[in-house]
Amino acid sequence: KNEVEQSPQNLTAQEGEFITINCSYSVGISALHWLQQHPGGGIVSLFMLSSGKKKHGRLIATINIQEKHSSLHITASHPRDSAVYICAVRAPYSGGGADGLTFGKGTHLIIQP
Amino acid sequence: EPEVTQTPSHQVTQMGQEVILRCVPISNHLYFYWYRQILGQKVEFLVSFYNNEISEKSEIFDDQFSVERPDGSNFTLKIRSTKLEDSAMYFCASSAIRARNEQYFGPGTRLTVT
Repeated sequence: KNEVEQSPQNLTAQEGEFITINCSYSVGISALHWLQQHPGGGIVSLFMLSSGKKKHGRLIATINIQEKHSSLHITASHPRDSAVYICAVRAPYSGGGADGLTFGKGTHLIIQP
Repeated sequence: EPEVTQTPSHQVTQMGQEVILRCVPISNHLYFYWYRQILGQKVEFLVSFYNNEISEKSEIFDDQFSVERPDGSNFTLKIRSTKLEDSAMYFCASSAIRARNEQYFGPGTRLTVT
């Protein structure tokens, strides 16, 4: 069973700061997701990675498969980025079925104006 | 942009009652999932569904739970004889056959058992 650990658990920063959230996992995976959850509870998928790096606007996600580690970066952070950021991993394919994700506990990010 | 929808957004039920949570996955998706999040805790996998049968289920998904795809569009989670500890946010997700890794989440149903 994969153990997914995120750090930090809580992060408060000033608007404009560069933010880094880390995720590590214990067992090999086929993909890693970064998700965003707002106070209302809904989950939005930000990135899905199986290798390398992806960028979308001010968000950058990287993954190092050998080290079993991923980072989510936010450049020029803004108060609207305040949310819970969740890392989730998918086990390697084990056949034709659908496999669920294993989630980290999330990082609570607050960006102050 | 196509999206996963869930109804109701909030359900309140009494302990011991049966509830059905409904999801409409994205139309060309063939893999379906249910997850739950107890308040203050991490999201947990419940069950996945493909080709009209359960693909994988977690230890949480016991005989109290069942899933069904009653028609070509809906995917339901039934909880029989609800318990207080079933109070949680329940998320549905779906993914396409050619992009199985990319799961799209619905907005969730908040279930409150009193």
